Amino acid sequence: SAVISQKPSRDICQRGTSLTIQCQVDSQVTMMFWYRQQPGQSLTLIATANQGSEATYESGFVIDKFPISRPNLTFSTLTVSNMSPEDSSIYLCSVGNNEQFFGPGTRLTVL
Amino acid sequence: GDSVTQMEGPVTLSEEAFLTINCTYTATGYPSLFWYVQYPGEGLQLLLKATKADDKGSNKGFEATYRKETTSFHLEKGSVQVSDSAVYFCALGSSASKIIFGSGTRLSIRP
Repeated sequence: SAVISQKPSRDICQRGTSLTIQCQVDSQVTMMFWYRQQPGQSLTLIATANQGSEATYESGFVIDKFPISRPNLTFSTLTVSNMSPEDSSIYLCSVGNNEQFFGPGTRLTVL
Repeated sequence: GDSVTQMEGPVTLSEEAFLTINCTYTATGYPSLFWYVQYPGEGLQLLLKATKADDKGSNKGFEATYRKETTSFHLEKGSVQVSDSAVYFCALGSSASKIIFGSGTRLSIRP
């Protein structure tokens, strides 16, 4: 299994600002995934990030709101742009093919 | 499209009770099936998995059998402990390595 770290672990932000979340993996992986877990809810896939190509977004998520970078095979960032209180969630990155391993998550609160 | 339906919670049991959390799925083909667990304040961990019909996944005393005929993957444990209190997510591996999660079941174990 891969060891995945995320930064920051939590943050409290003002509406209208943006936050960039980093995800680092201890081995090279082809696919990385970003999920959102709203309070008391399940996980929803935001996008799939492949190195060297544009991220693929799921229905309901757009690049302008959640831009993603994937500069190499061990690192990715997710930016939550122009935040509103509705963006308050835990954001998780994961890696894997048949089974996925998850980072510890970034708990975001937007005031 | 692919989907997962799992037993609504919360579920409260006494220590040493028998646990069943129901999970059914809808999918084309033969997806891999997973149970993930989220302990309080922690990230998401893979608990067990099964990759084909009649496979039984097991870990930490938990078991689940991939039942193609009933499209089910129910989670069971013969004797639960207080330390099993967590949120449990049933999930399936969809196309392009995506994971689709059920809504989660919160389990609380009374001493």
